[in-house]
Amino acid sequence: EVQLVESGGGLVQPGGSLRLYCAASGFTFSSYWMHWVRQVPGKGLVWVSRISSDERISSHADSVKGRLTISRDNAKNTLYLQMDSLKVEDTAVYYCARAISGTRNSLDVWGQGTMVTVSS
Amino acid sequence: QSVLTQPPSASGTPGQRVTISCSGSSSNIGSNSVIWYQQLPGAAPKLLIYRSNQRPSGVPDRFSGSKSGTSASLAISGLQSADEADYYCAAWDDSLNGVVFGGGTKLTVL
Repeated sequence: EVQLVESGGGLVQPGGSLRLYCAASGFTFSSYWMHWVRQVPGKGLVWVSRISSDERISSHADSVKGRLTISRDNAKNTLYLQMDSLKVEDTAVYYCARAISGTRNSLDVWGQGTMVTVSS
Repeated sequence: QSVLTQPPSASGTPGQRVTISCSGSSSNIGSNSVIWYQQLPGAAPKLLIYRSNQRPSGVPDRFSGSKSGTSASLAISGLQSADEADYYCAAWDDSLNGVVFGGGTKLTVL
């Protein structure tokens, strides 16, 4: 079964750090572009970042640039989001998602999400 | 304020056809394909349409997408109660160098 499972979310103080994990299974992880998308409960979807299948290309939303960093380990079938200098406005459910084969941005497989709460 | 503009709500009765619009600009919809997602309450988003009008396997042909210039639309025919959900459009934005989403449209089946 094709699956993405996020972990690593939790409560962190403003200015703190957190690392999110996304474990992939059931498909050839190294062949797909991967993304992080976040959503404040009750609000809309917001794109965070993406990374190419071979790790060479990555992009981040302006709102997180320099603070949140996407990476991947194809040998471990794992996607990461390193979150530093966290702000209250980073509070959201974070989803990892796979781009459908042959595309870079059309996300056909999503994880269940992990909640990140930034609060003092 | 989302880069792509969608109506906040839409509604229809069972069996009806409804459309949801998505308006953007030359740097996103005008130069890239449009993606549509469905998000049921409490669930992760689901891909409905990609490359503006392509359906992934498993998505019923009741769902269709189209694009013209800097606007796009999602049409749902034969509306069912199970279609009650939030719908989001998205596209790559060449100026922002990122994916942009619409604010979402809440579809109610009356």
